[in-house]
Amino acid sequence: AQRVTQPEKLLSVFKGAPVELKCNYSYSGSPELFWYVQYSRQRLQLLLRHISRESIKGFTADLNKGETSFHLKKPFAQEEDSAMYYCALMSGNQFYFGTGTSLTVIP
Amino acid sequence: GAVVSQHPSWVICKSGTSVKIECRSLDFQATTMFWYRQFPKQSLMLMATSNEGSKATYEQGVEKDKFLINHASLTLSTLTVTSAHPEDSSFYICSARVRGGIAYEQYFGPGTRLTVT
Repeated sequence: AQRVTQPEKLLSVFKGAPVELKCNYSYSGSPELFWYVQYSRQRLQLLLRHISRESIKGFTADLNKGETSFHLKKPFAQEEDSAMYYCALMSGNQFYFGTGTSLTVIP
Repeated sequence: GAVVSQHPSWVICKSGTSVKIECRSLDFQATTMFWYRQFPKQSLMLMATSNEGSKATYEQGVEKDKFLINHASLTLSTLTVTSAHPEDSSFYICSARVRGGIAYEQYFGPGTRLTVT
């Protein structure tokens, strides 16, 4: 069963514009959700996790249990934000990744 | 931060041969490592969970006799693709789980590109 859904494969925004990458999940318990980022030719790395309620590189994500969503947001996109973003859910001992959204920030 | 390495980074092999990929945690011990497969422009697909000193747990649809996983020490897990075929060509990524503060974190290796001719 699809646990994590990222509806947008590609997303382009202009520099300075707000950006939102969508993530919806299906999970019966209390989920632990994460956003991972993969810059060009680099390995996957953790961006943020909902349990920490942190803001990393200007990005935030709020867990909405009613809507089962964990959208990633940034008010002003920068060119260096161009990358592949994966939403992930931890279930027990395992991580499950969404299909990813490729973000392009246009100068 | 924690570093995970993979070796080799790129390998070409002939159909029918076996290939071993190593995943190492360089500066920490990992009781649990994960193996993923990633097709071009697609997401990571979890193949199996590797636990030190015990048998790996495979995801549904992953052939355990074809993808042999060994986690002999707290810093090394290996994935052996046996009798490789062209359809096994893919990007294989490992990760290691470590407890960081209040939650677990995963650190990913750089991946191994396997091409089977």
